[in-house]
Amino acid sequence: EVQLVESGGDLVQPGGSLRLSCAASGFTVRDYSTHWVRLAPGKGLEFVSAIHYTDGTAYYADSVKGRFTMSRDISKNVVYLQMGRLRPEDMAVYYCTRVSEAGWFDPWGQGTLVTVSS
Amino acid sequence: EIVLTQSPATLSLSPGERATLSCRASQSVSSYLGWYQHKPGQAPRLLIYDTSNRATGIPARFSGSGSGTDFTLTISSLEPDDFAVYYCQQRSDWPRTFGQGTKVEIK
Repeated sequence: EVQLVESGGDLVQPGGSLRLSCAASGFTVRDYSTHWVRLAPGKGLEFVSAIHYTDGTAYYADSVKGRFTMSRDISKNVVYLQMGRLRPEDMAVYYCTRVSEAGWFDPWGQGTLVTVSS
Repeated sequence: EIVLTQSPATLSLSPGERATLSCRASQSVSSYLGWYQHKPGQAPRLLIYDTSNRATGIPARFSGSGSGTDFTLTISSLEPDDFAVYYCQQRSDWPRTFGQGTKVEIK
């Protein structure tokens, strides 16, 4: 069964850092592109970052560029999101998702909550 | 970036009724439009991809239509399990973008 499990969400102060993890099973992150997508309170789903499976190149939303870094560890089959200089507007549930052969986000993890507050 | 506008924001219906959800794109996305269902505390689930193809395991009461900039998700007869938030998403261009969601609630 293809599965994604996120972890690492926590309460952090503005300006702080946090690393999210997404453990994949049932497939290898070397063979599929993966994304982070977030859902902030009262808002819709928002693309955050992506890693292309071919060469591990990462892409970012303008809102997080320069502050967030996405990476993968093929040996552990895990993708990461290193979040820095966190802002209150970064507060959200962060989902990890895989891009299927058809090019769509399928499946998704259950999400991990990031709270940014002093 | 391509902006997706969903309407209505909330749809209040009773079980057994037909639900019609709209998604309009700021520019053509060809047929590269998908729909997801999201319930609180759960993972979002892919329902429809490439405008009208049901994902694996999705019941036939869910159908999608449209092209270019105007798309529709139809639930022919609402089941209790269908009350949720529905998002459209385009994969025509980077970055991938989502609509703001339509909440289908029990009337």
